[in-house]
Parts: sequence; C-alpha cells; structure tokens
Amino acid sequence: QQQVKQSPQSLIVQKGGISIINCAYENTAFDYFPWYQQFPGKGPALLIAIRPDVSEKKEGRFTISFNKSAKQFSLHIMDSQPGDSATYFCAANGTGRRALTFGSGTRLQVQP
Amino acid sequence: DAGVTQSPTHLIKTRGQQVTLRCSPKSGHDTVSWYQQALGQGPQFIFQYYEEEERQRGNFPDRFSGHQFPNYSSELNVNALLLGDSALYLCASSYRTGGGETQYFGPGTRLLVL
Repeated sequence: QQQVKQSPQSLIVQKGGISIINCAYENTAFDYFPWYQQFPGKGPALLIAIRPDVSEKKEGRFTISFNKSAKQFSLHIMDSQPGDSATYFCAANGTGRRALTFGSGTRLQVQP
Repeated sequence: DAGVTQSPTHLIKTRGQQVTLRCSPKSGHDTVSWYQQALGQGPQFIFQYYEEEERQRGNFPDRFSGHQFPNYSSELNVNALLLGDSALYLCASSYRTGGGETQYFGPGTRLLVL
C-alpha cells in the first residue's frame, strides 16, 4: 500500500516537445506529491509539488496534473530542452507516513 | 541561506568497518530524514529524526543507526559494512507540519565498500 508506481522508465523527446511522466499511488493517506529532478552524482532537487485540494499546478514550463479519484498524478514538461535531460522521480508522503515514498524514476533524454 | 549540507562527499571503506555520515539541515528546519539510493534506483527511506528522537524507520537493519543533535544536525552510522551498503546516502531536511512535508535534499555522500 506504500508503493508509488512510475512510468515510463525512460523517455526520449525532441527539443521543444512535451515530456509526460505518470505516477499512481495506493495509500489514500498521502497528501503531498512532489516531483524531484536528479542529475548524475547529485542529490534530488525539488521541482514542483501539489496537494490534493487542487487538480493542476503550473510553474514555468512544468505542470502537475492530479486526479484524486484515480489516485494518479503526472508531470508535464513543456518546450523540453536538452538541459532538462535528467532522471525524474515522483514521490508522496502524508501525515501517517512522513517518509517520502519514491517512484522508480524516469530517465529523460531531450535530443537537440 | 545555505541549503542542506552533507559530509564527507565521498568515502571508501572495507567490509566490516564502521562509517559515520553527517548532515546539517536548512535553516529553520527541525526534521532530518536519511535515504539510501543505490545506482539506478530511487531513494529508499532509512529513518527520520525529530526532536532528537527516531520517529519513523524504513526496512533497514539495526546496523543502521542515527542521532540528531540539539542544533538539528544529524549523523547516520552504519556498522559492519557490507558490499551491498555501497550507495549514495542522502539527507533531507524539512519543517514538521500537520501533513506531508516538503523535503529538501543535500548533495549526498557516495559510499563505496570494498
């Protein structure tokens, strides 16, 4: 019940395209859903996060869409750039489970 | 404002040895969590410290222990190192709220066990 399932495992997008990464969760006690970006050899950096009281949050080129009834959330990267090439992790936590539960990660490659 | 800092950045140990990793949280944060990230995988939760006590623990053996100091900094200790303990060890800090919290990660300590 603690799992967060993430897909796809890897993604190749052309420069200027839209990158979409999906996650699904099981634990209904989760109430905070962040996305992290990680470059090789570095720690994960918080990209954007959402709480279940809204269905969408946008920050620059990054948008989270959240579907509470389906227990799914996704990250959209608009106008993808080569500098966006990294591994992206979705995660979740909540009052009863303060530890972040991470998805398995998506390796994004943006081709110039 | 300094972010989360960790030391050392890299460490090489041999099987059976003990290691101590250190973490300083972001200013204003009172909670420290430790994660282990094996190569090509997502971070796995080890434990979380708040008010100098271990509040939650993941599926890690007792060889993994920790401590939080009054200034909120924290240490992770691993005894009797195994080859499988080779990983990136991440510290994350947060401010304890009533619900799920934003956690900010440090750069990690890369541990290699030979």
